[in-house]
Amino acid sequence: AQTVTQSQPEMSVQEAETVTLSCTYDTSESDYYLFWYKQPPSRQMILVIRQEAYKQQNATENRFSVNFQKAAKSFSLKISDSQLGDAAMYFCAYRSAGGTYKYIFGTGTRLKVLA
Amino acid sequence: GAVVSQHPSWVICKSGTSVKIECRSLDFQATTMFWYRQFPKQSLMLMATSNEGSKATYEQGVEKDKFLINHASLTLSTLTVTSAHPEDSSFYICSAPRTAQETQYFGPGTRLLVL
Repeated sequence: AQTVTQSQPEMSVQEAETVTLSCTYDTSESDYYLFWYKQPPSRQMILVIRQEAYKQQNATENRFSVNFQKAAKSFSLKISDSQLGDAAMYFCAYRSAGGTYKYIFGTGTRLKVLA
Repeated sequence: GAVVSQHPSWVICKSGTSVKIECRSLDFQATTMFWYRQFPKQSLMLMATSNEGSKATYEQGVEKDKFLINHASLTLSTLTVTSAHPEDSSFYICSAPRTAQETQYFGPGTRLLVL
């Protein structure tokens, strides 16, 4: 069975600075997807970024980028130029590539942005 | 863009009563939807997969007689919490994959409080 681990329950970053959130996962599958979701106080899940395992190039979305290390089963999220609106819970998620859309979520990291 | 709605957004009920939560995909059809449960400050836990036209698939440890799922149409899935008890109080989130876009959309969630 696949597992997703987020070892940082809480992180803080100064506004305009850069922060990296860690995620590791365990799987025996070779093809899968990884995601970072943001859950603000409204609790609406918002997709931040997604990575296909077969792609070696790290995904980037504006200020958000990932460091995907397939061999190490590591998938960290870097937030550059942090903004107050980035404050939220961040969840790392895993999904098998084989047709199912079942997600396995990590335990989450609460990000605080300090003004 | 694609939207998934949930109704009600929050509900209070007395212990022993049943509560129905609706999940709708507003501009696309979803043969599969997912129901998650999230306790305060915790991650999303997958409860079941709702399948249009067939029985739901429940995750291990989830009582199927307590959490009744009906996928009535290609745009509607309902979760009924039967004989609710205070320990059922939680945040329930549904999601629906838009397979043509390889994207999953989450509903805004339903907060259930059982007194």
